[in-house]
Amino acid sequence: QSVVTQPPSASGTPGQRVTISCSGSNSNIGSQNVNWYQQLPGMAPKLLIHTNDQRASGVPDRFSGSKSGTSASLAISGLQSEDEADYYCATWDGSLGDPVFGGGTKLTVL
Amino acid sequence: QVYLVQSGAEVKEPGASVRVSCKASGYSFSNYGTTWVRQVPGQGLEWMGWIHPNNGNTDSAQSLQGRISMTADTSTGTAYMDLSSLGFEDTAVYYCARGSPWVESGNQHYYMDVWGEGTAVTVSS
Repeated sequence: QSVVTQPPSASGTPGQRVTISCSGSNSNIGSQNVNWYQQLPGMAPKLLIHTNDQRASGVPDRFSGSKSGTSASLAISGLQSEDEADYYCATWDGSLGDPVFGGGTKLTVL
Repeated sequence: QVYLVQSGAEVKEPGASVRVSCKASGYSFSNYGTTWVRQVPGQGLEWMGWIHPNNGNTDSAQSLQGRISMTADTSTGTAYMDLSSLGFEDTAVYYCARGSPWVESGNQHYYMDVWGEGTAVTVSS
């Protein structure tokens, strides 16, 4: 059980905007930067967003990140079939003294 | 371009050790840390630890301390992760990735921007 919580699943139709949440506490998201990774089926993870809202190199501007208090969100606009993947938030936990991943959200494009 | 190439799949018996290698290309290996992450089949990502080749500093997950060893050979640009006393629960895909923590303007940053393709380790009797 991770100290940062994501919904296990999310879905949307092509063209829609979807958001994936990541909820934590003051010892992690509330005081640390949040990063987001995309993992396509059978592939290695890929960095999407770092430092809360900075898109990684080559990532389309359809992907955006935000953070408020002890929660963070990943938004995907203009949803495409190739966005179907698992999405993980990650941050540092000051109490544990280690980085932590959220449990992951499986995004289905209907 | 920048990429990481990992060693091939391994099958080990319980109690054995495994070594996974990760060779960097396209960037100055000594200037970036290497992080290890694993993923049990059907489950999420688990951070294992990192090493910085420049000074050999390491940090590892408390759950793995005593069983994990990370080293880096700057002459070949290769990082290694050794995991001992393997149990069935260690069956997973092991990833290396470029990145280790740093502090800038009082804020800690830590993200992995380049990933290897993964190495499947199966523990089976």
